[in-house]
Amino acid sequence: KNEVEQSPQNLTAQEGEFITINCSYSVGISALHWLQQHPGGGIVSLFMLSSGKKKHGRLIATINIQEKHSSLHITASHPRDSAVYICAVPRGSGGGADGLTFGKGTHLIIQP
Amino acid sequence: EAGVAQSPRYKIIEKRQSVAFWCNPISGHATLYWYQQILGQGPKLLIQFQNNGVVDDSQLPKDRFSAERLKGVDSTLKIQPAKLEDSAVYLCASSLTRAETQYFGPGTRLLVL
Repeated sequence: KNEVEQSPQNLTAQEGEFITINCSYSVGISALHWLQQHPGGGIVSLFMLSSGKKKHGRLIATINIQEKHSSLHITASHPRDSAVYICAVPRGSGGGADGLTFGKGTHLIIQP
Repeated sequence: EAGVAQSPRYKIIEKRQSVAFWCNPISGHATLYWYQQILGQGPKLLIQFQNNGVVDDSQLPKDRFSAERLKGVDSTLKIQPAKLEDSAVYLCASSLTRAETQYFGPGTRLLVL
């Protein structure tokens, strides 16, 4: 069973700050997911990555497969980035059971 | 492109009653997932379908929960009988195939009294 740990659990920052959220997992995986959930809202997939780095707008996700660690960065943070950011990994070894095991999430608040 | 549709959006029932949730995945998506998200926790996988076959139902409480995807498109999740601890948001997600990005529906909020 893969254990997913995220840090920090809560993060409050000022608008414009550079944000980093970390995720570590215990068992080797085929890919790691970063997702976003707004209060009372649905879950949106931000990234799925298996190596290196991906960028989308002001969001950057990196992964180090050897160290079993991933980071999500937000540049020039804005109050609309306030949400819960969740790291998730496939339950199985990649052969078919791709349902996700989720971390507990990072509650991010960006103050104007 | 239409997203994942779920209904109802909200449901309130009394314990020991039965309830069913419906999910319509994105057109063409072969893989469908049901997750349970209890307040304050991350979602937990209940069942994964590939077309109309079950890939993973190891975390589904089979004494009271059942799910089907008979024609490999829509899916129904049923709870019978419901318990207080089943109060949660039930999320449906779909992906084009296995090991792809998952797209989530808005969820069904269930309150068991």
